[in-house]
Amino acid sequence: EAQVTQNPRYLITVTGKKLTVTCSQNMNHEYMSWYRQDPGLGLRQIYYSMNVEVTDKGDVPEGYKVSRKEKRNFPLILESPSPNQTSLYFCASSLGLALTDTQYFGPGTRLTVL
Amino acid sequence: GQQVMQIPQYQHVQEGEDFTTYCNSSTTLSNIQWYKQRPGGHPVFLIQLVKSGEVKKQKRLTFQFGEAKKNSSLHITATQTTDVGTYFCAVAGGGADGLTFGKGTHLIIQP
Repeated sequence: EAQVTQNPRYLITVTGKKLTVTCSQNMNHEYMSWYRQDPGLGLRQIYYSMNVEVTDKGDVPEGYKVSRKEKRNFPLILESPSPNQTSLYFCASSLGLALTDTQYFGPGTRLTVL
Repeated sequence: GQQVMQIPQYQHVQEGEDFTTYCNSSTTLSNIQWYKQRPGGHPVFLIQLVKSGEVKKQKRLTFQFGEAKKNSSLHITATQTTDVGTYFCAVAGGGADGLTFGKGTHLIIQP
């Protein structure tokens, strides 16, 4: 089944404790991205990647890192999480450029930083 | 990045009534996508509009792209409880090659 998977689905952590949210897609998609969703603010793009070893900042990249060592995986890294990073995070992938292709979203990761 | 205004933020309707959400931009758009997110779920792609004045239908859903390609609408005829959720428009402009999403319209249906 074609899908985007994220792990973990739920995470409660404390300020400053490094964490990684994994994202994997099995559709051989070139483009992958991370979004955060907050009430009243909609979906905001954090980082995106157009191919292996190619990553770029989205609209809200501060406090996040990403890597794209393999085509299928695009982990989101929070080196020193802070409470303002409490949010619902979605990974997404598409065959080509996001502005022309359908984006497939993962199920989401709800992160709470205490 | 690209700015897009989506209205209304919330819409309460009685089951069977129609619903419309609008997406507006101050600049000309290359294309626009629409997504639906059910409560507790993830956004799911509905459709993409590319041509000026384009109209597409999916059963009870009608999507329009303005003649000037600066606005778009999603209209649902005779809403059903399965239509509950948040509807987002998305346009090119989040980062150099990313998408910018509108803030979404939450559709609440009263039986």
